[in-house]
Amino acid sequence: AQSVSQHNHHVILSEAASLELGCNYSYGGTVNLFWYVQYPGQHLQLLLKYFSGDPLVKGIKGFEAEFIKSKFSFNLRKPSVQWSDTAEYFCAVKSNSGYALNFGKGTSLLVTP
Amino acid sequence: DVKVTQSSRYLVKRTGEKVFLECVQDMDHENMFWYRQDPGLGLRLIYFSYDVKMKEKGDIPEGYSVSREKKERFSLILESASTNQTSMYLCASALRWTGNTEAFFGQGTRLTVV
Repeated sequence: AQSVSQHNHHVILSEAASLELGCNYSYGGTVNLFWYVQYPGQHLQLLLKYFSGDPLVKGIKGFEAEFIKSKFSFNLRKPSVQWSDTAEYFCAVKSNSGYALNFGKGTSLLVTP
Repeated sequence: DVKVTQSSRYLVKRTGEKVFLECVQDMDHENMFWYRQDPGLGLRLIYFSYDVKMKEKGDIPEGYSVSREKKERFSLILESASTNQTSMYLCASALRWTGNTEAFFGQGTRLTVV
């Protein structure tokens, strides 16, 4: 079955620490990959997306992600987190053979001052 | 900017009631989606629609139906609300679903069934 796995459900970091959130998917064929963020009380927003080309994509607010096709992975990174990065992060995959955007279960990030 | 608007932020309904959740998008998007979001379970797809009057079941359609009579509006219907349908419901839309498109989300409706 097609699935999206996020490795960490809860992450707590101090400000200025580096962040890496794991995401793996099980789809074959061509995929589009996304990271969405949900700040407390706000709607889901797109952080970054990968469609094709350079596997290292940069998004908003200093986030980046690397698509490694051989590992079916799309990990999210940020070199130095801020308190305002406290949020829930969702990895999502769209297969070009289907209609749906499938999400992982999310990672709750808490950044402490 | 794309705007996806859900009619209510918060709803409280009684068990057995018929509940309508409304979603409107203003960018002429072909595709619309309903998800429910639960802690620890992420977002799960209930239904999606790729055209007016067209719909497809997602992963968890039981207890729900949908209606898309106009391109801009996608309604989620709980035929007989139950307490296990207490959740956050998210609507999304996307221009096309082939090629390089992204989905845009509404602010969510938090439904409590008592």
